[in-house]
Amino acid sequence: EAGVAQSPRYKIIEKRQSVAFWCNPISGHATLYWYQQILGQGPKLLIQFQNNGVVDDSQLPKDRFSAERLKGVDSTLKIQPAKLEDSAVYLCASSFSAGGGYTFGSGTRLTVV
Amino acid sequence: GEDVEQSLFLSVREGDSSVINCTYTDSSSTYLYWYKQEPGAGLQLLTYIFSNMDMKQDQRLTVLLNKKDKHLSLRIADTQTGDSAIYFCAESGFKGAQKLVFGQGTRLTINP
Repeated sequence: EAGVAQSPRYKIIEKRQSVAFWCNPISGHATLYWYQQILGQGPKLLIQFQNNGVVDDSQLPKDRFSAERLKGVDSTLKIQPAKLEDSAVYLCASSFSAGGGYTFGSGTRLTVV
Repeated sequence: GEDVEQSLFLSVREGDSSVINCTYTDSSSTYLYWYKQEPGAGLQLLTYIFSNMDMKQDQRLTVLLNKKDKHLSLRIADTQTGDSAIYFCAESGFKGAQKLVFGQGTRLTINP
């Protein structure tokens, strides 16, 4: 079974620029999550999709972050404009249902300078 | 709200047992998880326990859950250098939500 694919692996941008990350979940997984992991901290949920609908985006800074999951498969997360404090690893995960079925991608490491 | 706490560092000698502890605040958590993260890598699920269990064993790993005290521990027997990593405790099920809530991670260092 293929894992959760994310790209790019690394991205360096200047503050106020925009950036987009892509995630392809495991085939058949209805639920997709984006987490932000700041250095030295545990991952924090940004947004959760169930198929192509948003379940939880309460921690997403909506003035600069947006995410979509067209057709209930791939997802993109965008930051516009980026701030220095957005430097983090952005992890995508998918699950078939609640419980032990979460699978994480390798993440995208974003550095904002 | 939900909160998960872990100690930040643990250092053990190779061959000894490692015990990583975690406390959580939400008594409605359905599942509790242990993830491993090596440098530059994503999160690897080690094991998980359903909240109506008090122990789960999987090869060198033993998970103990004290639901009364909201305390979770991960014991790694015969710790090896390859076990060096950051270990995250996480819970899900707060108010029925599927999302994972993570602790801040415990960095395990192995001394030769």
